[in-house]
Amino acid sequence: AQSVTQLDSHVSVSEGTPVLLRCNYSSSYSPSLFWYVQHPNKGLQLLLKYTSAATLVKGINGFEAEFKKSETSFHLTKPSAHMSDAAEYFCVVSLLNTDKLIFGTGTRLQVFP
Amino acid sequence: NAGVTQTPKFRVLKTGQSMTLLCAQDMNHEYMYWYRQDPGMGLRLIHYSVGEGTTAKGEVPDGYNVSRLKKQNFLLGLESAAPSQTSVYFCASTQDRAANTGELFFGEGSRLTVL
Repeated sequence: AQSVTQLDSHVSVSEGTPVLLRCNYSSSYSPSLFWYVQHPNKGLQLLLKYTSAATLVKGINGFEAEFKKSETSFHLTKPSAHMSDAAEYFCVVSLLNTDKLIFGTGTRLQVFP
Repeated sequence: NAGVTQTPKFRVLKTGQSMTLLCAQDMNHEYMYWYRQDPGMGLRLIHYSVGEGTTAKGEVPDGYNVSRLKKQNFLLGLESAAPSQTSVYFCASTQDRAANTGELFFGEGSRLTVL
């Protein structure tokens, strides 16, 4: 069965420092993986996606994620955090040719000045 | 440029009352979804629809019913609300299978409290 585990429920960083949000996945097939962002009191927005092409995926707002099959990981990174990055981030897995996405439990990112 | 619109945005119910959440999308999308979001549990799929006139159960369907009579609308009903249904509900839509593109378009959520 497909699943994702977000290893940190909260991450705090200072503005200008790197961001690392960790996600491990479990899949018996080659997965498609995604990161979504949810700003306070808003709906979710797709940040980036991996669908078996390049293993390093670039998304919006300077975020990127690397698919590592050997480690079953899909961690989200950003070189320099901005105050506007404060939000909740969800790692998501799917199985190709189904109608469903499976969401992780989320990581809340706090950015301090 | 509305995208996905949910109504109402807030609602307080008493146990046993019924209500309907409306989701409307103006992107002519085939697929529509209802999720609930609870602290520490991420998003869980309640019901979904792969086209007008179709519905299917998701991960947590009990206590909810849905209808997709028109392509642009997806209704979520609670026949007899329970405190366990206190949650934030999100509607989402996409043109292609969600698993293929991964890009769901979300509404801003409906916060429901059941007393």
